[in-house]
This record gives sequence, C-alpha cells and structure tokens, in this order.
Amino acid sequence: QVQLVESGGGVVQPGGSLTLSCAASGFSFSNYGMHWVRQAPGQGLEWVAFIRFDGSDKYYADSVKGRFTISRDTSRKTLYLQMNSLRPEDTAVYYCAKDVLDSNWYFDYWGQGTLVTVSS
Amino acid sequence: QPVLTQPPSVSGAPGQRVTISCTGSSSNIGAGYDVHWYQQLPGTAPKLLIYDSNNRPSGVPDRFSGSKSGTSASLAITGLQAEDDADYFCQSYDSSLSGSHVVFGGGTKLTVL
Repeated sequence: QVQLVESGGGVVQPGGSLTLSCAASGFSFSNYGMHWVRQAPGQGLEWVAFIRFDGSDKYYADSVKGRFTISRDTSRKTLYLQMNSLRPEDTAVYYCAKDVLDSNWYFDYWGQGTLVTVSS
Repeated sequence: QPVLTQPPSVSGAPGQRVTISCTGSSSNIGAGYDVHWYQQLPGTAPKLLIYDSNNRPSGVPDRFSGSKSGTSASLAITGLQAEDDADYFCQSYDSSLSGSHVVFGGGTKLTVL
C-alpha cells in the first residue's frame, strides 16, 4: 500500500533553515509528480510546491518562491523541501502528497504531516 | 484569503442531506478546471473524497457526490452519519496572469448533530 512518511520538522528561529523529507513506498515513485501542502494551526490547506516525476519542472506558491526548494531522489524514493529564510507565517504542518499521475494537480495520497514551528 | 470560497460551517442531523458549496471564478472552476474534494477527520491528514468534480475513489461511500456548474461546485452528503463529522476542502487549479497553481477553499466544518 502507498505510504508517505514525512520527517524533519521542528522548532526554528525566524531567518533559519530546515529541510523536510518524505519517504515514499508502495508505488513507483519515479513515475509520479509530488507536492508539498501545508496547513497552519487551525487553518485551511495551502499548496506549497510541486515537482514533476523526473524532476524536470518545479513550481512554487508565491508565498515561498525564492525561499523554498523542492527536490527528489529517485534512488532513495524520497521527496525533499529545503526551507530557507523562514518566517513565523511559515509555521504549519507540512504534508507531502502524491499526484494522481505526473501533473494532474490533485492528490490521491497524503503523508501524516510534520510540524514546523518558526518562533524565537 | 483562499481563492475558492466555502461556507465556514454546515450542520445536519443523522440521516439528513447536506451540501457544501465551493465558489470560484473564471480563472479556475469557470475556466473548466476540475474540482476535487478532501475530507479531513480531526487530527489526521486530508483524504481524497471526490475527484474530477463527480467521481469517487474506490472505498468512498456513494453517499458522497459532487457536481460542478459554471464557476461553482458542490459536495453533497446524504444519509449523514456521525463519522462524517469532519472538515471538507475543495480544490482546483487556477491559471491567471500571475501564474498557475493549485488553489484550495478555506474549508467547511461539518457538524453532525
């Protein structure tokens, strides 16, 4: 069965950096686009970033463009989100989510999420 | 502010029917992009409930259905059950001058009375 397991969350000071990981299993990771979606405490969902199945294209929400970098390692079946210049408004649970195909732009499986808290 | 507009809350008694609306614009739902719905139970990750406006993934009861018309979409739940008490989010794709990306509604809290 499809499993997505995020890790790497924690508490970081404003301006700091953090890298999230998402270990994938139960499907052919190299064939699917992957996303990061976040949810601030008590709030709705916000799409963060997308990477195509082969890593050839990457897209970002305006709120994180220039600060966050999405990447993937096919050999490790792992998705990453490098987050720099973190702000308090980046505080959220970060979910990795599998695209239905390569770039259908919706999600059929989600991880359990990892909490990132940006605070001094 | 979320690009798609949903009512913050709806409620219904067990066995009743409720609908949740999702209103967009000409750059997303009105442009022909499909709408997808997710259910989020308390403390858990979202789960795909309806895709491509009116299709249910395997395992989702047929009590859940979706529709789309113009710049809006709706999720209908019939025969309400206590386990339906959750947050529901609509999602689509938006293509405007500022770029193209995934957009969500703000979410609707369904309370089963």
